[in-house]
Amino acid sequence: DAGVIQSPRHEVTEMGQEVTLRCKPISGHDYLFWYRQTMMRGLELLIYFNNNVPIDDSGMPEDRFSAKMPNASFSTLKIQPSEPRDSAVYFCASTPGRLREAFFGQGTRLTVV
Amino acid sequence: QKEVEQDPGPLSVPEGAIVSLNCTYSNSAFQYFMWYRQYSRKGPELLMYTYSSGNKEDGRFTAQVDKSSKYISLFIRDSQPSDSATYLCAISAPDTDKLIFGTGTRLQVFP
Repeated sequence: DAGVIQSPRHEVTEMGQEVTLRCKPISGHDYLFWYRQTMMRGLELLIYFNNNVPIDDSGMPEDRFSAKMPNASFSTLKIQPSEPRDSAVYFCASTPGRLREAFFGQGTRLTVV
Repeated sequence: QKEVEQDPGPLSVPEGAIVSLNCTYSNSAFQYFMWYRQYSRKGPELLMYTYSSGNKEDGRFTAQVDKSSKYISLFIRDSQPSDSATYLCAISAPDTDKLIFGTGTRLQVFP
């Protein structure tokens, strides 16, 4: 298996633009997590899914953020409109079950100018 | 108070040194404890996983949990330059699927 695949690896966009981050979890993993990492705040959980259903989105900072998981092999995190303070590395991770090892993707480095 | 506190470092040590990395947590309900290692521009990778008090050893790495003090540690013996990375502690409670991460400690091991 190729592991968790995220795209794009880097994204530079202007303030106000819509940004869509994509994630393909490991096949057979039924949990998917979206994290955001910054120097100041570390790794923050934004939202997670179990069997494609959003379970907890309490970490989503604002209504500008939304996430979907239309099927077991694909998830998106959308920011609309984007702001400079959204600049961070966004990670997707999947696990094969509750409290099991989380496998992370390489991350998407987002810069909003 | 943050649920998990971790000294951000950076920590710089010579090759061969013993390294101690630490986290404290606030909720006594937390029962699952993990250490992840993150190399520069990569995603975190699981290093150690434990759910009980005491020590767990894996090669040069030892994870220690003290539930009475709500304190977890990772020890690295005979540290190598290849150990240079950011180390993140992660914890979870049994009634949740969420992993809560510390901010990470950046470690540099110089030859």
